[in-house]
Amino acid sequence: QQQVKQSPQSLIVQKGGIPIINCAYENTAFDYFPWYQQFPGKGPALLIAIRPDVSEKKEGRFTISFNKSAKQFSLHIMDSQPGDSATYFCAASAGGTSYGKLTFGQGTILTVHP
Amino acid sequence: NAGVTQTPKFQVLKTGQSMTLQCAQDMNHEYMSWYRQDPGMGLRLIHYSVGAGITDQGEVPNGYNVSRSTTEDFPLRLLSAAPSQTSVYFCASRPPGQRGQYFGPGTRLLVL
Repeated sequence: QQQVKQSPQSLIVQKGGIPIINCAYENTAFDYFPWYQQFPGKGPALLIAIRPDVSEKKEGRFTISFNKSAKQFSLHIMDSQPGDSATYFCAASAGGTSYGKLTFGQGTILTVHP
Repeated sequence: NAGVTQTPKFQVLKTGQSMTLQCAQDMNHEYMSWYRQDPGMGLRLIHYSVGAGITDQGEVPNGYNVSRSTTEDFPLRLLSAAPSQTSVYFCASRPPGQRGQYFGPGTRLLVL
């Protein structure tokens, strides 16, 4: 059962473009939605996260948009750079007795051409 | 702090062999977890621990054992390796009071 669905699988943009990666979730108990960035041969690194009480969060060039009613959230990368080329994962977790266990999306391979 | 460390970086096993993947953190994090990463499937939770002496199963626990005798270490044991366990394994830990998890560099395992 895939509780977090991520799209697209891969994405190619030119430098300066705004790639958008989308995720949809099913479990309404989820209350924490992080994005992770992973470079080849490395572990995932926490990039930015949002809670459902806000609709948008910005950190530098990275923005999360959150739509609670649609159970969807997305990552936007402003003024993308070749160094942003990586695999991006969305995730979700619930608190309480779920202990914040993360459920990940399938990942998006982003390529930013110079 | 060294963060989350994992050893070995790469391992080749034959079907039926057993081995232990090591994970350690020096940040005094109570919560630790193991994930496996397979192409097109994201990361899937194998086992997790909320503190020394407490472990529980995740989404894909079959074929794996864990123990947590200290706060620092959380080893993952493969009892009898199978080709389906060929994957990249990541250990993660989480600071108290926070929800974001911090991942180690991973162990790439090939089972022949």
